[in-house]
Amino acid sequence: EAQVTQNPRYLITVTGKKLTVTCSQNMNHEYMSWYRQDPGLGLRQIYYSMNVEVTDKGDVPEGYKVSRKEKRNFPLILESPSPNQTSLYFCASSLQHQWQPQHFGDGTRLSIL
Amino acid sequence: GQQVMQIPQYQHVQEGEDFTTYCNSSTTLSNIQWYKQRPGGHPVFLIQLVKSGEVKKQKRLTFQFGEAKKNSSLHITATQTTDVGTYFCAGGRTSYDKVIFGPGTSLSVIP
Repeated sequence: EAQVTQNPRYLITVTGKKLTVTCSQNMNHEYMSWYRQDPGLGLRQIYYSMNVEVTDKGDVPEGYKVSRKEKRNFPLILESPSPNQTSLYFCASSLQHQWQPQHFGDGTRLSIL
Repeated sequence: GQQVMQIPQYQHVQEGEDFTTYCNSSTTLSNIQWYKQRPGGHPVFLIQLVKSGEVKKQKRLTFQFGEAKKNSSLHITATQTTDVGTYFCAGGRTSYDKVIFGPGTSLSVIP
């Protein structure tokens, strides 16, 4: 089944403790992206990747890192999480670029205390 | 910077009533996409519009792209409880531009 898989689905952690949210897709998609969703603000793009080893900042990249060493994986790294990064995070992928239908993962709810 | 706005933020309708959400951009858009997110779920792609004045239909859903390509609308005829969720539009100034999502319209349908 074609899907985008995120882990973990839920995480409660403390300020400053490094964490990684994994994202994997099995559709051989070139384009992958991370979004955060906050009430009243919709989806805001954090980082995106057009292909392996090609990543670029979205609208809200501060405090986040990403890497794209393999086509299928696009982990989101919070080196020193802070409470303002408490949010619902979605990973998405599409065939080649953002103007093709994006397939979203089920989301990761992060709480930073 | 580019902004994409949606109105209304919330809409409560009686089952069987029609519903419309509007998406407005501060700049001309080259593309607009619509997504639906059910409560507790993830966004699911509905449709993409690229031409000025374009109208597309999916069963009870009608999508329209404005003549000036600065606004779009989604109209649902005779809402059903399965239509409950948040509807997002997403646009960009060029085909190479980042996708900007609107804040969404949350639809509740009262049986």
